[in-house]
Amino acid sequence: EVQLVESGGGLVQPGGSLRLSCAASGFTFSNFWMSWVRQAPGKGLEWVANIKQDGSEKYVVDSVKGRFTVFRDNANNSLYLQMNSLRAEDTAVYYCARDGSFEAFDIWGQGTMVTVSS
Amino acid sequence: DIQMTQSPSSLSAPVGDRVTITCRSSQSIRTYLNWYQQKPGKAPKLLIYAASSLQSGVPSRFSGSGSGTDFTLTISSLQPEDFATYYCQQSYSTLGTFGQGTKVEVK
Repeated sequence: EVQLVESGGGLVQPGGSLRLSCAASGFTFSNFWMSWVRQAPGKGLEWVANIKQDGSEKYVVDSVKGRFTVFRDNANNSLYLQMNSLRAEDTAVYYCARDGSFEAFDIWGQGTMVTVSS
Repeated sequence: DIQMTQSPSSLSAPVGDRVTITCRSSQSIRTYLNWYQQKPGKAPKLLIYAASSLQSGVPSRFSGSGSGTDFTLTISSLQPEDFATYYCQQSYSTLGTFGQGTKVEVK
């Protein structure tokens, strides 16, 4: 079964750090771009970051530049999002997603909740 | 950055109705436009990619059209399980921006 499973979310104080993980199974992970998408409570979807198959290209949305880093471990079929200097506005459910045909997100994880609060 | 604007932001319709949602991009994105359905507490689900290609397993009552800057998602006959929020998303640029969403509610 093709599957993505996120982990690593939780409650963190402003200015703190968190690393999210996404474990992929059921497909050849190293063949696909991968992305992170987030959704603040009651709000819409926001693309956060993506990374090329071999990790040689990676992009993040302006609001997290310099604070978030995306990376991957193809040997272990895993995607990561390192989040530093967290702010209240980073509070959201974070999803990992596979970039399929036409770079549409065809497979999604169940999401992991990140809450930034004192 | 490419901005995506959906309309309406919400609508109510009875079961069996034909429903159309529109999405407009701030610049041409050719046919790099995708549609997702999201139900409360669940991850989004891909419905349409490349403006008009139906994702495997998605019912044929869903269809998409458009190119350039103007796109539509049509549900030909609204079913009870279709009440959800729908998002468009452009994949033309690396920053894959989403529309703000359209909530479809039962009338």
